[in-house]
Amino acid sequence: FMLTQPHSVSESPGKTVTVSCTRSSGSIASNFVQWFRQRPGSSPTTVIYEDNKRPSGVPDRFSGSIDSSSNSASLTISGLQTDDEADYYCHSYDSSNHEVFGGGTRLTVL
Amino acid sequence: EVQLVQSGAEVKKPGESLKISCKGSGYNFDTYWIAWVRQMPGKGLEWVGIIYPGDSDTSYSPSFQGQVTISADKSISTAYLQWSSLKASDTAIYYCARRYSSGDYPYWGQGTLVTVSS
Repeated sequence: FMLTQPHSVSESPGKTVTVSCTRSSGSIASNFVQWFRQRPGSSPTTVIYEDNKRPSGVPDRFSGSIDSSSNSASLTISGLQTDDEADYYCHSYDSSNHEVFGGGTRLTVL
Repeated sequence: EVQLVQSGAEVKKPGESLKISCKGSGYNFDTYWIAWVRQMPGKGLEWVGIIYPGDSDTSYSPSFQGQVTISADKSISTAYLQWSSLKASDTAIYYCARRYSSGDYPYWGQGTLVTVSS
C-alpha cells in the first residue's frame, strides 16, 4: 500500500493548517498512523502517534485524526508558528509487517 | 536514557561492500524492534526493513528485499545494515529507529551518510 501526502502546504502565522495522508489500499483504521516532523539536518521526531496521541513535549496545537470515509489521516496544526516549518511525514503499516512512510509534506509558515 | 548511536559517514566506490551499525543503550536491546530508514538526497523517508534482536526475525520492504541485509548482535546491543555490492543509487542517509508495538518510532539514531561514487 502507499500513503499519499500533498507535496507542500503554506499558511500564515497564527492560522491553522491541515496535512492529509491518504491510504491507497487497506483500511486506514486497521493500523495506527504516526506523524513525524523532520527539520533540516535532523533526525525525524514524533508529533502524533497511534492516530491522535501526542508525545510529551508536543504542544496541544498539534492534533491527529483519521477518516474512514476518505481512508485518510490528517495532521492539524493550529496557531501556526514559524518554528513549525519543517517536513512532515505520515507512517503506517499492514498485517504483513510492511511499513510505509508518506512522501512528506513541506510546511511553510509565511 | 535511551540512545541509538550510529557509525560514522562512509565513502565507497560502486561494487564495494559495506556494513553500518546502530548501537542501542539505556534499554533492553533484545526486546524492541529496530528498523532502518533511507533518505536519499533531498528526498523523503523510505522504510527499508526491521529486525527483532531477540531472535533476529527480520522483515524487508519489497523495494529493498535482496538489496540489503539487516542483522543484529544482541551481545553488543548492535544492529547492522549491509550491502554486498554498492551502487551509486545507494547514496543516502540511513537512520535506525526503535519501534514500539503500536508502530511509533520514538527513538532515532543520528543517521549515517553513505556516499557511493567512483
